[in-house]
Amino acid sequence: NAGVTQTPKFRVLKTGQSMTLLCAQDMNHEYMYWYRQDPGMGLRLIHYSVGEGTTAKGEVPDGYNVSRLKKQNFLLGLESAAPSQTSVYFCASNYRGAEKLFFGSGTQLSVL
Amino acid sequence: TQLLEQSPQFLSIQEGENLTVYCNSSSVFSSLQWYRQEPGEGPVLLVTVVTGGEVKKLKRLTFQFGDARKDSSLHITAAQPGDTGLYLCAGSWTGANNLFFGTGTRLTVIP
Repeated sequence: NAGVTQTPKFRVLKTGQSMTLLCAQDMNHEYMYWYRQDPGMGLRLIHYSVGEGTTAKGEVPDGYNVSRLKKQNFLLGLESAAPSQTSVYFCASNYRGAEKLFFGSGTQLSVL
Repeated sequence: TQLLEQSPQFLSIQEGENLTVYCNSSSVFSSLQWYRQEPGEGPVLLVTVVTGGEVKKLKRLTFQFGDARKDSSLHITAAQPGDTGLYLCAGSWTGANNLFFGTGTRLTVIP
């Protein structure tokens, strides 16, 4: 099994550009999450989904949008990138909210 | 507001030494998880603790959940270079849809 797959692994954007990060999981998990990781801040939740067609805001949702059109996919969009969005982004999934999380290997995003 | 504070933030020790890292909060958690993250990878679950006072062992790693379920510790005995990584604690409340992560402890074990 591939588990949780994120694409791309690296991306460089200019301020104001848009992009979409794709997360795919093959474990039939109901819940999916997008986190960002910054030095000294641990992992902070951006948005999450408790099932196909649903989304909800996490701790730091501003500047991001998400969609969960298919159960196995969770997309994270940046409509107008800002330097403050330079970070490492992780997608994760699990069967239920407080259970073991399975993470992808991350996307390093730099906004210049 | 950071709900989970971990200490120390950085730790560098020699191979064979013992160490303890801490995860503290003012909130009561229904369960707490510990993850280890290696460079270029996502975090991987080490253990979940759910009962106040619970102690779990994973080879040379000992995890404890505080009696009041507000804090936890991770003790490593005879650290090895393979223990190097970022250690993250994560807590959840009853009925919560997500986990809140701590600030992390970056451990380096020098051969």
